[in-house]
Amino acid sequence: AQSVAQPEDQVNVAEGNPLTVKCTYSVSGNPYLFWYVQYPNRGLQFLLKYITGDNLVKGSYGFEAEFNKSQTSFHLKKPSALVSDSALYFCAVRDSGGYNKLIFGAGTRLAVHP
Amino acid sequence: SQTIHQWPATLVQPVGSPLSLECTVEGTSNPNLYWYRQAAGRGLQLLFYSVGIGQISSEVPQNLSASRPQDRQFILSSKKLLLSDSGFYLCAWDTNYGYTFGSGTRLTVV
Repeated sequence: AQSVAQPEDQVNVAEGNPLTVKCTYSVSGNPYLFWYVQYPNRGLQFLLKYITGDNLVKGSYGFEAEFNKSQTSFHLKKPSALVSDSALYFCAVRDSGGYNKLIFGAGTRLAVHP
Repeated sequence: SQTIHQWPATLVQPVGSPLSLECTVEGTSNPNLYWYRQAAGRGLQLLFYSVGIGQISSEVPQNLSASRPQDRQFILSSKKLLLSDSGFYLCAWDTNYGYTFGSGTRLTVV
């Protein structure tokens, strides 16, 4: 069965430091991977995706993610965190069973401290 | 332009009352549409998806139902709400590059 794991409930980082939010996946076939961000009481906003091509994917707001096939990981990164990056982050993988359903991880809360 | 609308933003309903949440998309035709529920501000659970008018697939057994009366309209309903139906409900539209989400409905059943 396909799944996504976000092993950290919360990540704390100081403003200006690099941040990493971890994601690992389990799918059959080639993975389509996504990162979304959610601010309080809001819908999810798309950050970036990996479909094929370069393993390093650049997205919105200075975020990037690195696809690692051997480690089945798709970690989200940013070189210098901002307090405004504090939010809930979701990793997702497209269900290979069709209909473009997305399977989401449990989410990781990112707290950036001034 | 392509947009997705979801309403109401918040709703407080008594146990046993009916529910109707609406989602509409603009700027596209024959979209795949999805209803998710988010409990306690964390993970998302897929409730229903639809690939066309009148075509509804349910992912989990529950007290809710969905309908798609028009190509760009997706409705989440219940005849009698339970306390456990409380949560944050999100409609999403598949753009073939990922999802675009509505702004969500916070449902509190009291």
